[in-house]
Amino acid sequence: GESVGLHLPTLSVQEGDNSIINCAYSNSASDYFIWYKQESGKGPQFIIDIRSNMDKRQGQRVTVLLNKTVKHLSLQIAATQPGDSAVYFCAETYSGSARQLTFGSGTQLTVLP
Amino acid sequence: SQTIHQWPATLVQPVGSPLSLECTVEGTSNPNLYWYRQAAGRGLQLLFYSVGIGQISSEVPQNLSASRPQDRQFILSSKKLLLSDSGFYLCAWSAGGSQPQHFGDGTRLSIL
Repeated sequence: GESVGLHLPTLSVQEGDNSIINCAYSNSASDYFIWYKQESGKGPQFIIDIRSNMDKRQGQRVTVLLNKTVKHLSLQIAATQPGDSAVYFCAETYSGSARQLTFGSGTQLTVLP
Repeated sequence: SQTIHQWPATLVQPVGSPLSLECTVEGTSNPNLYWYRQAAGRGLQLLFYSVGIGQISSEVPQNLSASRPQDRQFILSSKKLLLSDSGFYLCAWSAGGSQPQHFGDGTRLSIL
């Protein structure tokens, strides 16, 4: 079936470095993608989204890149801080699905001092 | 601004007991509402979603049910809990269309 998966289950980066979290999706009909951050014991928090008519979108310290040709999504975090340590999920959906999200299994980002 | 509330935050229940988890949304009208379950170290599994009062769609057959008695209230229930029902339950809302879902802080359910 369709799935959204992550290339790496864990990622460790030094404080101040840039982080890149990757995500592959398999549903070519997906047209809306979201990145969430989940801290321990809390619900996922919306970070940034991107629609399929865009290749790149920037937020505060975060950038999402979408490559529809290879069905790949990435989240870049600039100047990673200790507060960025969390599990990051990508999610995808498509119009006509009541916007049901399909989530990847998540990447644990650990920021080292 | 919109807010979403879930309660309780944690719950310990014996096998075979009933369940009722409540979720309410404030600051918006006619939201899409969702119930998810998350196993430890895993992604989110959609259980139910609702696009309006009394409209419930089930994604996974199981002994859980959902109801939407009011526009901004979503309830997850069970008549008899199983050990396998343990997990982290999350409620979410969205404005529909190409809009993100926003999550509550979840209920940690432990079945003994």
